Amino acid sequence: DAEITQSPRHKITETGRQVTLACHQTWNHNNMFWYRQDLGHGLRLIHYSYGVQDTNKGEVSDGYSVSRSNTEDLPLTLESAASSQTSVYFCASSAVDSYNEQFFGPGTRLTVL
Amino acid sequence: GQNIDQPTEMTATEGAIVQINCTYQTSGFNGLFWYQQHAGEAPTFLSYNVLDGLEEKGRFSSFLSRSKGYSYLLLKELQMKDSASYLCAVKDSNYQLIWGAGTKLIIKP
Repeated sequence: DAEITQSPRHKITETGRQVTLACHQTWNHNNMFWYRQDLGHGLRLIHYSYGVQDTNKGEVSDGYSVSRSNTEDLPLTLESAASSQTSVYFCASSAVDSYNEQFFGPGTRLTVL
Repeated sequence: GQNIDQPTEMTATEGAIVQINCTYQTSGFNGLFWYQQHAGEAPTFLSYNVLDGLEEKGRFSSFLSRSKGYSYLLLKELQMKDSASYLCAVKDSNYQLIWGAGTKLIIKP
């Protein structure tokens, strides 16, 4: 069965360190998204990609970067982790059509100390 | 600005019916989604509305009024497993999803 996976599921890091969160999907979807979810807020879009070599900034992109070298993977990098980036991160993917239902990975809980 | 409003928390009784409302103000409208999210898990798709009216899917129904910027999710014959957060999201003119903060639904026996 097709799926979307994230690793690690939990991560504790220190302020200033570079961190990369992995996202891998086997749906063969062109669209991929990274969100963060914090208490009291809706899901907020960090970056998104509509295909290989395509990346775009979302609502809260400062301090984050992504790259898309193949269809299956969209890793999210925190260049220099800050305590404000402590959050739960979800990766999602969707097919290219007007219906555009997004399928979510299980999430990564990141703590920055 | 863009805004999605939902009640923060609701409580209902097992076997009953509950309606979760969502109002939105967005730059453009290309559809409204409802997702369910159990604690500690990923959101999962429930329904999609792009035209006015009611969409029924088993125990769950979703209604949309574009002129009023309003939707609701109706859950019938509530079960304990329906205890979760329900997220409303609108696809705006850029085809990006704008998410509400979610409604936490507590089901009591």
